[in-house]
Amino acid sequence: AQSVTQLDSHVSVSEGTPVLLRCNYSSSYSPSLFWYVQHPNKGLQLLLKYTSAATLVKGINGFEAEFKKSETSFHLTKPSAHMSDAAEYFCVVSDPAYSSASKIIFGSGTRLSIRP
Amino acid sequence: DVKVTQSSRYLVKRTGEKVFLECVQDMDHENMFWYRQDPGLGLRLIYFSYDVKMKEKGDIPEGYSVSREKKERFSLILESASTNQTSMYLCASSFVRGAFFGQGTRLTVV
Repeated sequence: AQSVTQLDSHVSVSEGTPVLLRCNYSSSYSPSLFWYVQHPNKGLQLLLKYTSAATLVKGINGFEAEFKKSETSFHLTKPSAHMSDAAEYFCVVSDPAYSSASKIIFGSGTRLSIRP
Repeated sequence: DVKVTQSSRYLVKRTGEKVFLECVQDMDHENMFWYRQDPGLGLRLIYFSYDVKMKEKGDIPEGYSVSREKKERFSLILESASTNQTSMYLCASSFVRGAFFGQGTRLTVV
């Protein structure tokens, strides 16, 4: 069965320091993995996606994530945090072997705070 | 850019009312979805549709129904609104390569 676990409900970093948001997944097949960002009172925006091509995926706004099959992880990173990065981040797993959207699972979210 | 538009940003309805939430996408996507988002529970799938007039239940369909008469429009219906349906509702289109979300409708049932 598919599942996704975001290991931290809240992460706080200083502006200009690295960001690490952790995500572990469980999937019976080769999954597609996504990170979404949601700013306050806004909809969800796709940051990046992994769909079995390169394991290091670059996304928008300087974010990237690395798919590590041996660790079943898909952690999101950014070298230098900016105040505008403060938002909620969701890790999502989708099993392409199924067409049913019920196989799409959202993590519970990580709230990223940036200290001046 | 793909655009997914939800008809209302904020709604206040009374208990027992029939409520319609509308969602329109402009990219000819076959798949459309309705989620609700609640603090501490993340996003949960209510219903989805993979084609016109086709629908499947998600994880929490109770108290909801949907309508997909045209490819671009996917409606979520609360047959008889209850206070536990107060939530943020998000519509999305497509998915395998990534979903595009609307801005959300914050529904309050009083």
